[in-house]
Amino acid sequence: KAGVTQTPRYLIKTRGQQVTLSCSPISGHRSVSWYQQTPGQGLQFLFEYFSETQRNKGNFPGRFSGRQFSNSRSEMNVSTLELGDSALYLCASSLDLVPRNEQFFGPGTRLTVL
Amino acid sequence: AQKVTQAQTEISVVEKEDVTLDCVYETRDTTYYLFWYKQPPSGELVFLIRRNSFDEQNEISGRYSWNFQKSTSSFNFTITASQVVDSAVYFCALHKETSGSRLTFGEGTQLTVNP
Repeated sequence: KAGVTQTPRYLIKTRGQQVTLSCSPISGHRSVSWYQQTPGQGLQFLFEYFSETQRNKGNFPGRFSGRQFSNSRSEMNVSTLELGDSALYLCASSLDLVPRNEQFFGPGTRLTVL
Repeated sequence: AQKVTQAQTEISVVEKEDVTLDCVYETRDTTYYLFWYKQPPSGELVFLIRRNSFDEQNEISGRYSWNFQKSTSSFNFTITASQVVDSAVYFCALHKETSGSRLTFGEGTQLTVNP
């Protein structure tokens, strides 16, 4: 069974640009969550999608958005990039709600903003 | 508000030593879950254990063991006879039932096991 895949693995952008990151959950999983990991702030929850609906949202500005498609694949978008957006962005999938269902993480997309 | 504190930023041990990673949490919920994850250099978080707030039994899995104490709001993780492959960042995380799949993570502890 394939794990959670994230594309691209590495990305370099400049300030002001926008970026789209993709996450393909494990087959059959309907819940996808996104986290941002930085050395200063650690791992912070961005948002969660279930059956194409945002179910939960963390404390991030509106420049961060996401969506989920009918096949459960999810994308997150960051507009008007800032230097502080440089981070490892992790995606996690589960069958349904945690903690009844185990959550599996992908390898992440490392975004560098210059 | 929920909070998880891992006071040990970095720990360095020699192979075969035992090591304990500390985790202290804060929550007002009576029903919650605690997790430990391992993050190797490859980046993905690897699930190690999940424990609910009503189950204070300690657990052992091979060289790993966990000590959950509600009285001190702690969920500590011990690796016995550490190995070089145990080198990674370890995260403790807290989940409450009403928060969907959202986890609140601690700052992480970088464990280095030297040969």
